Amino acid sequence: QKEVEQNSGPLSVPEGAIASLNCTYSDRGSQSFFWYRQYSGKSPELIMSIYSNGDKEDGRFTAQLNKASQYVSLLIRDSQPSDSATYLCAVVMDTGRRALTFGSGTRLQVQP
Amino acid sequence: EPEVTQTPSHQVTQMGQEVILRCVPISNHLYFYWYRQILGQKVEFLVSFYNNEISEKSEIFDDQFSVERPDGSNFTLKIRSTKLEDSAMYFCASSEVRSNTGELFFGEGSRLTVL
Repeated sequence: QKEVEQNSGPLSVPEGAIASLNCTYSDRGSQSFFWYRQYSGKSPELIMSIYSNGDKEDGRFTAQLNKASQYVSLLIRDSQPSDSATYLCAVVMDTGRRALTFGSGTRLQVQP
Repeated sequence: EPEVTQTPSHQVTQMGQEVILRCVPISNHLYFYWYRQILGQKVEFLVSFYNNEISEKSEIFDDQFSVERPDGSNFTLKIRSTKLEDSAMYFCASSEVRSNTGELFFGEGSRLTVL
């Protein structure tokens, strides 16, 4: 079973729309969840962290966590062409490895 | 703004050769990490380092790999005898606290090509 699973995409949305990115994880006891953005050929950059069930908003970004469903999502409002990148979901699992485990990422394309 | 710096940005080597990748973490950070990303694949954890010792390593980090903090600023990854499958982008990262309570700052990466 994959530890952190994401749809590879590409997810294509028009400029100004809401982009919704999803992630599921296998370790039910996981406590810490992160979204990173990776532009092509560049390194990952942290966008959001979330630790509790519910929503967490930061500017145009909202992270949502549902531990019962083992599901994390990232909403990007008013999507801009500059948001076009691969979005990586990362989880610190409760069992075994304590370091960040990344999903394979979802590629987002925002069409101008 | 403080940043993690990595050298070299790109290294080409012959199979079987030793490679050392260097990183300068952010100065007040205490936890250091190496991750790698094979082209088109996900970012994979290699090793974490704290208080001058390895705190965790993955199954990828076998006897061919080693890490060292030779002085107060550098953090190095050595691959003793490179294989074709070691070709990847290697990212160094650092954090002020452990990754489960803080954020990782990544360097720009060192691309390793093994021929």
